Amino acid sequence: GIQVEQSPPDLILQEGANSTLRCNFSDSVNNLQWFHQNPWGQLINLFYIPSGTKQNGRLSATTVATERYSLLYISSSQTTDSGVYFCAVGVFASNYQLIWGAGTKLIIKP
Amino acid sequence: EPEVTQTPSHQVTQMGQEVILRCVPISNHLYFYWYRQILGQKVEFLVSFYNNEISEKSEIFDDQFSVERPDGSNFTLKIRSTKLEDSAMYFCASSDGGGGDTQYFGPGTRLTVL
Repeated sequence: GIQVEQSPPDLILQEGANSTLRCNFSDSVNNLQWFHQNPWGQLINLFYIPSGTKQNGRLSATTVATERYSLLYISSSQTTDSGVYFCAVGVFASNYQLIWGAGTKLIIKP
Repeated sequence: EPEVTQTPSHQVTQMGQEVILRCVPISNHLYFYWYRQILGQKVEFLVSFYNNEISEKSEIFDDQFSVERPDGSNFTLKIRSTKLEDSAMYFCASSDGGGGDTQYFGPGTRLTVL
């Protein structure tokens, strides 16, 4: 089955710094979503981005489907950005399930 | 903005007991899902549901699990006889279409089996 790998596994930054999180996947996908899991465990939808580039405030994401990777950019980090960021993909062989990476744990220090 | 809701937020139960986790998907969505996340691990797919039947299920979703849409708004996950290893966060999700549409997630139910 498809493999989803996220890097780095952990990232510690000072408030105000920028960061880039990466998601590599081993097969073609028909869905790619980025999530932020907050300290209370809730999954917050960030982007639906099977291809192309999107921006939402300080966050942006780019997926290069032909090269099988996606990047999540966080600019001017705030302490509230702390948490785990997950990438999840859907594949053409399955119309339904999302397959998840292991996440990047981000800690923003004040 | 419409959202997926889940109740309860936290459920504590004794091993061997039955639990029902409840979800209210976004009202015009047609596809419904359950995922789980054991503490510190990645999120895992359990089951998808469309047109009042299971569309796809994972190996985790064995005979102890069942899903139901008892009315036009609720979507439930039942675990018949809970085990210690069922302790996890359970997420419900819904989407307008299948085949790669955005899945919207609820806040989760934390299940603790003692």
